[in-house]
Amino acid sequence: SYVLTQPPSASVAPGQTATITCGGNNIGSKSVHWYQQKPGQAPVLVVYDDSDRPSGIPERFSGSNSGNTATLTISRVEAGDEADYYCQVWDSNSDYYVFGTGTTVTVL
Amino acid sequence: QVQLMESGGGVVQPGRSLRLSCAASGFTFRRYAMYWVRQAPGKGLEWVAGIAYDGSNKYHGDSVKGRFTISRDSSKNTLYLQMNSLRTEDTAVYYCARDRLTTVTWGPIDYWGQGTLVTVSS
Repeated sequence: SYVLTQPPSASVAPGQTATITCGGNNIGSKSVHWYQQKPGQAPVLVVYDDSDRPSGIPERFSGSNSGNTATLTISRVEAGDEADYYCQVWDSNSDYYVFGTGTTVTVL
Repeated sequence: QVQLMESGGGVVQPGRSLRLSCAASGFTFRRYAMYWVRQAPGKGLEWVAGIAYDGSNKYHGDSVKGRFTISRDSSKNTLYLQMNSLRTEDTAVYYCARDRLTTVTWGPIDYWGQGTLVTVSS
């Protein structure tokens, strides 16, 4: 089965840039979606199809995808960005959604 | 506005059954693929099941295949998850979720319910 690997945690100071990676075999050939989840809340879609943003999501959230790594970048980090972030793809070989292991972003 | 409201969670003994429901409103339910995603306490997200917009195709994850069944009733704007032979490892918050795109499956998920907690314990 397809596996997506994320670093467990990332720490960033306010105003700086957070970079979250999502590793998978040839993930660059897939569409990657990213979700933000705050404690006790449902996930929220922040980036879809590698680099598109839903309406209402700040431009500070951006994404890229190439080779074996997809990346979510949060620029000018704010305290409100503190959350868990998950990447997701559709594995066409099995017709499964696959979620990454999740990254907890802490704002120092 | 789009709303997804899960119900049916609770405490159940191992081996028993439970049916979750998700009442959808604020959009044309019959045009969207729908999904169930769960999250065990303190753990990450796990996709459980998906169903095409017209119910023609259903998909289930390996961990629930043969035990859980997803279904939908578009006349009632409701999504279901029938869970049989429950195990302690099925304990989780179960989220109902909607595909972002109409009439396709496996797009990004743009709306989630608030979740319903299922606890499997003796």
